Amino acid sequence: DGGITQSPKYLFRKEGQNVTLSCEQNLNHDAMYWYRQDPGQGLRLIYYSQIVNDFQKGDIAEGYSVSREKKESFPLTVTSAQKNPTAFYLCASSVQGLSGNTIYFGEGSWLTVV
Amino acid sequence: GNSVTQMEGPVTLSEEAFLTINCTYTATGYPSLFWYVQYPGEGLQLLLKATKADDKGSNKGFEATYRKETTSFHLEKGSVQVSDSAVYFCALSKANAGNMLTFGGGTRLMVKP
Repeated sequence: DGGITQSPKYLFRKEGQNVTLSCEQNLNHDAMYWYRQDPGQGLRLIYYSQIVNDFQKGDIAEGYSVSREKKESFPLTVTSAQKNPTAFYLCASSVQGLSGNTIYFGEGSWLTVV
Repeated sequence: GNSVTQMEGPVTLSEEAFLTINCTYTATGYPSLFWYVQYPGEGLQLLLKATKADDKGSNKGFEATYRKETTSFHLEKGSVQVSDSAVYFCALSKANAGNMLTFGGGTRLMVKP
């Protein structure tokens, strides 16, 4: 089935550790996105990529890093510089181009700092 | 910049009641408008969308009409079910902003039997 796969579903991080969240899509979409969701709140954009080997900061990029070496993959690294990383992380993708193209989401990854 | 405002929840209804969740937006030009639904512990699923003024998006009994004059995209359903209990997000996107979504804060709907 076509879709977006995020892994792991649940991840625990110790203080000072970097962790990487995986996002893979087989929809042949050009654009990919990472959003952060805090409990009871909306989504905020961390990073996005409209094409391979290119990505842009979103509204809350500090403490995060990404790469886009392949069209299908857009991993997110939560670094130790991110002071409050406990949240629900959502990866998304869309066909690049015209306004109105639907953005599809993965199932999300829960990250907890212990 | 772009922004989306939706009514705060939770909204608590009895089964078969009429649902309205208000959503207004601020954007230049003509954004596309979306409603997404999030069930507990899951990602977001597209519920419906509208890409130009006066368009009506509909799906699973839910409807929303793109009102340019009032910059609104209110979500409605004539008869809610317990299974509709979820968080609903209104969002907009613009092609000249990389097609990125700007979300409202979400509205939790709780439907009681």
